[in-house]
Amino acid sequence: DGGITQSPKYLFRKEGQNVTLSCEQNLNHDAMYWYRQDPGQGLRLIYYSQIVNDFQKGDIAEGYSVSREKKESFPLTVTSAQKNPTAFYLCASSLQSTNEKLFFGSGTQLSVL
Amino acid sequence: DAKTTQPNSMESNEEEPVHLPCNHSTISGTDYIHWYRQLPSQGPEYVIHGLTSNVNNRMASLAIAEDRKSSTLILHRATLRDAAVYYCILLDQNAGNMLTFGGGTRLMVKP
Repeated sequence: DGGITQSPKYLFRKEGQNVTLSCEQNLNHDAMYWYRQDPGQGLRLIYYSQIVNDFQKGDIAEGYSVSREKKESFPLTVTSAQKNPTAFYLCASSLQSTNEKLFFGSGTQLSVL
Repeated sequence: DAKTTQPNSMESNEEEPVHLPCNHSTISGTDYIHWYRQLPSQGPEYVIHGLTSNVNNRMASLAIAEDRKSSTLILHRATLRDAAVYYCILLDQNAGNMLTFGGGTRLMVKP
């Protein structure tokens, strides 16, 4: 079945540590996105990529980094510069057309030890 | 950026219709109206979208005001599985296909 997979489902970070969240899709979608969601809040865009080897910052990119070396994969690294990383992280993908719906993964809950 | 305004929460009885409102008074002529819903601890799920005309699919209907400054998501017969947070979103075409999510409406369905 086609879909978008995020791993792990739960992740813990120690102080000063970088952690990487995985996002893989087999939908042959060109565009991929990372969102952050805090409890009881909506989603805020961190980074997005519309094509391989290219990505742009979203509204809250500070303290995060991404790469898009393959069409299927868009990993997100939460760096030690992100002082408040505890949140629910969602990855999504869509066809390149500007009115295509987003398909979301099931999310990764990141907590700080 | 065009913004949307939704009630924080709504209640419905099971098997009754539900009308979820959304105001978007600053919508531009080319902005599409999208609706997603999110169950607890899951990613959002696409529900429906439209531009000017009312839209129907197997999940819901979308009624768009003639001036496009508001829209209503209609669930024809609410079930307990419809309890979720519903997001009304305007597609920002100047920023590619990114969708900006607000706080949404938490729908509670009573048996």
